[in-house]
Amino acid sequence: NAGVTQTPKFRVLKTGQSMTLLCAQDMNHEYMYWYRQDPGMGLRLIHYSVGEGTTAKGEVPDGYNVSRLKKQNFLLGLESAAPSQTSVYFCASSPRQGAGYGYTFGSGTRLTVV
Amino acid sequence: GIQVEQSPPDLILQEGANSTLRCNFSDSVNNLQWFHQNPWGQLINLFYIPSGTKQNGRLSATTVATERYSLLYISSSQTTDSGVYFCAVLILTGGGNKLTFGTGTQLKVEL
Repeated sequence: NAGVTQTPKFRVLKTGQSMTLLCAQDMNHEYMYWYRQDPGMGLRLIHYSVGEGTTAKGEVPDGYNVSRLKKQNFLLGLESAAPSQTSVYFCASSPRQGAGYGYTFGSGTRLTVV
Repeated sequence: GIQVEQSPPDLILQEGANSTLRCNFSDSVNNLQWFHQNPWGQLINLFYIPSGTKQNGRLSATTVATERYSLLYISSSQTTDSGVYFCAVLILTGGGNKLTFGTGTQLKVEL
């Protein structure tokens, strides 16, 4: 099925470890996004990309890095995980055409940092 | 930045009841989306509705952009409607589309 695929779905890290979350979309969307969801706070934008080779900071970028080497993939990296990064991470994509087209979300990655 | 407020924060309904969820936003927006997050965490798009009214089965939504609010109506609620309902507003910028979420309404439908 067409859509946004995130891997892995679950992960437990120790403080200080690193990891990469992968997001892949097959809808040829220009824009891609990484959000985190914490209890009672809705979703907050971490980083986003408006096209292959571009990235930009969102609302809560500290402690994360991203890369968009291919149009269909958007990677989120944690270089040195901290317990404050325990969260559910969602990737999304959207076409460039703008307001008339909505976001499509992946199913999420539940990350626990101990 | 833009503020998005949803009410009520929590809601418990008996199956078959109707409900109205509200979303207020603090500035002009280019579009507005309603999402349902099911108990498994999946985010499902319900409506894109920058203005006017749309209906999809038992759900309908109305956005009054000039007064900066949107309403989501759920009629004849079912247990499968349980979950969190998010309103998110879209603002076009030169550097990409920014979707800002409200904090959600947690809905539980009981038998």
